Parts: sequence; C-alpha cells; structure tokens
Amino acid sequence: QVQLVQSGTEVKKPGASVKVSCKASGYTFIAYDIIWVRQATGQGLEWMGWMSPSSGSAGYAQKFQGRVNLTRNTSINTAYMELSSLRSGDTAMYYCARADGRLGLSWGQGTLVTVSS
Amino acid sequence: YELTQPPSVSVSPGQTASIICSGDKLGDKYVCWYQQKPGQSPVLVIYEDNKRPSGIPERFSGSNSGNTATLTISGAQAMDEADYYCQAWDISNVIFGGGTKLTVL
Repeated sequence: QVQLVQSGTEVKKPGASVKVSCKASGYTFIAYDIIWVRQATGQGLEWMGWMSPSSGSAGYAQKFQGRVNLTRNTSINTAYMELSSLRSGDTAMYYCARADGRLGLSWGQGTLVTVSS
Repeated sequence: YELTQPPSVSVSPGQTASIICSGDKLGDKYVCWYQQKPGQSPVLVIYEDNKRPSGIPERFSGSNSGNTATLTISGAQAMDEADYYCQAWDISNVIFGGGTKLTVL
C-alpha cells in the first residue's frame, strides 16, 4: 500500500532554513507527483507546491515563490521540502502527499516545524 | 481560483449532513473531499466528484454541478465529527476549500 513517511519534528530559529523529507514506498516513486501542504494550528490546508520525481521539475504557490525548494532523490525514493528565511508565521504541520490527479491525494503523517527564538 | 466552504455544519446523529463547496464553474473540474480528525492527517473520502475509496462507508456521497460541489453524509454518526475539505486542481495548482467543521450532536 502507498506509504509516505516524513522526518521528525523540527525547531528552528527565525531566519533559519528547514528541510523536511518524505520517503515513499508501496508504489513506483517516479510515476506520481508529490505535493506539499502546510497547516497552522487550528487553520486550514495551504498548498505550497508540487514536484515531479521523474523530471525533478517543480511549481510553487505564489506565496512561497523564492522561499521554498522542492527536490528529490530517486535512488532512495525520497522527496524534500526546504523552506528558508523562517519566521514565526511558518510554524505549522507540514505534509507531503502523493498526487494522483482527479483520484486524490495520499498523505504522509506530517512534520511539525516550530519557529521560535 | 478559490473554493468556499461554510465554516461549520451541525447535524443530529442519524440525520443527513450536507457540506457545500463553491467555486466558479466548479462543475467543470473534478472535486475530492478529505476528512481530518484532530491530530491526524487528512483522509480521502470522495474522489472524482462522487466515488468512494475502498474502506469509506457508503453513507458518504458526493455530487458536483454548476458552481457547487456537495459532500453528503447520510445517517451521520458520532465518528463522522471532523473537519472536511474540498479540493480541486486549477491547471497545475492544488486548491483547497477553507474547511468545514462538522459537529454531530
């Protein structure tokens, strides 16, 4: 079955960067795009961007352009989300998800990123 | 592109709950619905407007036409109390509705 396992909780200081990993199993990694979504406590889901594991190409929500970088390592079936210039408003749960178009999203367990001085 | 949901919906146990999701010409797109319980990742409950993944109870159904998609829970149970999000694609962008908190009481 499809499984996405994300890296653990992160605590960062303002201005730092964070890199979250998302290891895929149970399917052909390069066959499906990976998207990243974040959710602040008590808030809704916010799409950050997508990445094609087969080509490495990526697209980003306008809000995160220039601050987020989505990459992958196909040899270990892992996708990465790096967010830079962190501020307190970036404190949130970050999710990766396998995108299957109109067939929907399969989600990782989430990674909590806390930004605090 | 934006999807709009009501912030909250209440339903009595055993009754039918309807959660709407509105967007311009939304009926021209495919809509998915996700259920999210506190402390958990979202779970797909409807895809392609009206199809249920395996393991999702038959009481969950969906429709999409015009500018509105609807998630219907027939015979709502206490376990259905959760946040629900609609989702569509706009070109290569993922769009989420703001979410609806379903209270079963």
